[in-house]
Amino acid sequence: EPEVTQTPSHQVTQMGQEVILRCVPISNHLYFYWYRQILGQKVEFLVSFYNNEISEKSEIFDDQFSVERPDGSNFTLKIRSTKLEDSAMYFCASSLQGIGGYTFGSGTRLTVV
Amino acid sequence: QQQVKQSPQSLIVQKGGIPIINCAYENTAFDYFPWYQQFPGKGPALLIAIRPDVSEKKEGRFTISFNKSAKQFSLHIMDSQPGDSATYFCAANDRGTYKYIFGTGTRLKVLA
Repeated sequence: EPEVTQTPSHQVTQMGQEVILRCVPISNHLYFYWYRQILGQKVEFLVSFYNNEISEKSEIFDDQFSVERPDGSNFTLKIRSTKLEDSAMYFCASSLQGIGGYTFGSGTRLTVV
Repeated sequence: QQQVKQSPQSLIVQKGGIPIINCAYENTAFDYFPWYQQFPGKGPALLIAIRPDVSEKKEGRFTISFNKSAKQFSLHIMDSQPGDSATYFCAANDRGTYKYIFGTGTRLKVLA
């Protein structure tokens, strides 16, 4: 069964450093997403991306965040200057037809120290 | 308006029992309601989903009941097994957007 692959599985970074979280969505999917889950809390939407541009973003997705699809297979989330409160599990997801049929990756646990 | 309220927060049942997890929403623009199962260290995995024109949907041991007038929906797990022990999230999609609003999750433990 096709999978969404995320790397790394765990990243530790110093406060103020830039991090890039990487995702390889399912190959024929057209819509891409990032969500985050602070430990023990609900999953929260960050951003959706379609046709090489952001289609929607949440209040959490401020100027410190950016997304990119640098080639035909990768989808990245960059956090420019990490804060302690950015510590969370970050999930990438993709879908073929927009809503419905989302597939989530296993996540990257980001720890900011 | 953008919230999905989920209860209970945690649930323990014996093997073979039927745990029921409930969700409620306010926004009438929500028109797609999936349930996700999440094991520790893994991403959420889609279990089953329903649209508001249907009152019930069954897939294997999982059933969604949907009450459009009350703006509530629930997940029933028939003949629950220890392998069903996980966190379950309900979610809703706002028509015209591609994002999900998730509930706060229910940690289910099924005792052997």
